[in-house]
Formats: sequence, structure tokens, C-alpha cells
Amino acid sequence: DADVTQTPRNRITKTGKRIMLECSQTKGHDRMYWYRQDPGLGLRLIYYSFDVKDINKGEISDGYSVSRQAQAKFSLSLESAIPNQTALYFCATSDSTVLRPQHFGDGTRLSIL
Amino acid sequence: KNEVEQSPQNLTAQEGEFITINCSYSVGISALHWLQQHPGGGIVSLFMLSSGKKKHGRLIATINIQEKHSSLHITASHPRDSAVYICAVGGGADGLTFGKGTHLIIQP
Repeated sequence: DADVTQTPRNRITKTGKRIMLECSQTKGHDRMYWYRQDPGLGLRLIYYSFDVKDINKGEISDGYSVSRQAQAKFSLSLESAIPNQTALYFCATSDSTVLRPQHFGDGTRLSIL
Repeated sequence: KNEVEQSPQNLTAQEGEFITINCSYSVGISALHWLQQHPGGGIVSLFMLSSGKKKHGRLIATINIQEKHSSLHITASHPRDSAVYICAVGGGADGLTFGKGTHLIIQP
């Protein structure tokens, strides 16, 4: 089983719909992150969380919200999806020690028509 | 905000060639990461380094903190090394700043 699991893996939906992407981890890490990847732009940070009571905005948080339901679960929501949110979304985790690698989920490919 | 530049953006080479991918960043950092992304999309961490050099199999990563520059080398390249290689920097705990990636193709 994967250490960092994202669901769904693929989603096609329509403009204006509410979408939730879910991430769960079995690594016991405190820190969780949501990134989006667009062709030619690289990955960019949307939100990050250090624990269930600590949520922080990243570089491109507008149009998104998150929920840290438990140490192991971090969800990303698009309240009213728009086409330019079409992208590949990654969840990642890391240990509370700063100098530790991040562990990525397999990604969610989201298409908004 | 740290700016991360990778070069080249695209690289096609023959099997067996020595490969070098470069990464430069603008602001001092705690650590630099090299990541690999295969066509299926998944991202794997290859190296995390804050000084010197690390080696894992045919992969070698170096960093020069003073020059704000890192290189990823692949020796005896193989078609299975074909992937996107991504440099990322982290100055603290608040996530990473990524380069745009280098798309590497190794032809048999």
C-alpha cells in the first residue's frame, strides 16, 4: 500500500461544481502539503499544514480551501471549480524535522470543463 | 521568494552517455531536493542535500552553497532513466519552491 494516498486519481467535472480531493498518509508525518502542477510552470504550493490546528496559505491559495481532519488526512476543496483550475494536484508529507525529504502521493488529474 | 532555474529544459541523449542537469537558485536555503517524475505522473525524491555531494547508484548530486548551484549527474544513462527531473529548494518548513523541470529522454 502507498504511504501517501490520493483520491480520486482522475476527475472530470463541470464549471461551478464543488470538488474535494482527499489525501491520507500512513507515514505518521506531521506536515502535509497540497501542490498543483501545470505544464511549463512546475509545481506550486497551494496550502500546507503543520498539524490539525495549523493551516497556512501557500503561493496560490485563492479559489481553494483545505481541511486537516486528523494527523493522517488533509483534504483540498474547490468550492466552485473553474477551467483554469484544471491541473495535476499532488499531496505531500514530511517529518517535523526541517531537513527531511517530502513524500508525494501519485497525484490527482483534475479536468474542469 | 526564491527563484529556481533549471537547465536544460529538454535533453535527449543516447544510452550510455553521461548526463548533467543544472539548478540555480536566488536565495540561501536550508536544503535542495532533486525529484524524479515518470510519465505516469508520480514524484519520487532522489536526493536531499545541504552541502557537498551525494551518490546513489548511477546518480550523483552536488551542491555549491556559495554559488547557489546544484547539479544532478547520471552515469551510464539508460532508457529507464527517461523522466522529468525536478529541482526544488526549501528554506524552512513551509513547503518547497520548484524549478520547471528537465525533460530527459534516453534513446536506446
